[in-house]
Amino acid sequence: KQEVTQIPAALSVPEGENLVLNCSFTDSAIYNLQWFRQDPGKGLTSLLLIQSSQREQTSGRLNASLDKSSGRSTLYIAASQPGDSATYLCAAGGYGKLTFGQGTILTVHP
Amino acid sequence: DADVTQTPRNRITKTGKRIMLECSQTKGHDRMYWYRQDPGLGLRLIYYSFDVKDINKGEISDGYSVSRQAQAKFSLSLESAIPNQTALYFCATSVGRFPNEQFFGPGTRLTVL
Repeated sequence: KQEVTQIPAALSVPEGENLVLNCSFTDSAIYNLQWFRQDPGKGLTSLLLIQSSQREQTSGRLNASLDKSSGRSTLYIAASQPGDSATYLCAAGGYGKLTFGQGTILTVHP
Repeated sequence: DADVTQTPRNRITKTGKRIMLECSQTKGHDRMYWYRQDPGLGLRLIYYSFDVKDINKGEISDGYSVSRQAQAKFSLSLESAIPNQTALYFCATSVGRFPNEQFFGPGTRLTVL
């Protein structure tokens, strides 16, 4: 059974800092790894999808990496802004299904 | 207009009542999913459907049933609601081929009293 863990559970940083969110998974036989953002009481917005054959994906200030052999993914956020404050979820993609971590609550203060 | 819509957005019901949550999508995706989100437990898969005739149980299907009425519509039913089914429910869709990225609806907040 796939298990996904995210560290840290919460993170508070000043505006402008670069930061890294960590995601680990127990079963390396994944199809993809997806990162989401969730604002309070809202739905999930897909940020980045990394296929199992890829090492990283980039979108604007976001960069996600994947190391299947070690069961790890990281989400790097450059030059953080208050608008980046949200919960960030990673999910390991199995056969048509996603297994989610519990998320990292990010607060970026001015 | 949103690609994945869920109705209702909020619902308060009583123990023992039957309730249906509906999901519609205009993305043309063949796969649809139902998840629930609970504080401290994250999102967990309830049911998933790869096409109209293919429905599968997820991690926590007990107490729930689903119906795939058409490629674009996937409903989740609670036959007899109980308080521990109080949660945020999400519908998601994906295309059944590379890259199989999942897209989520806005969620339904369900409270069972």
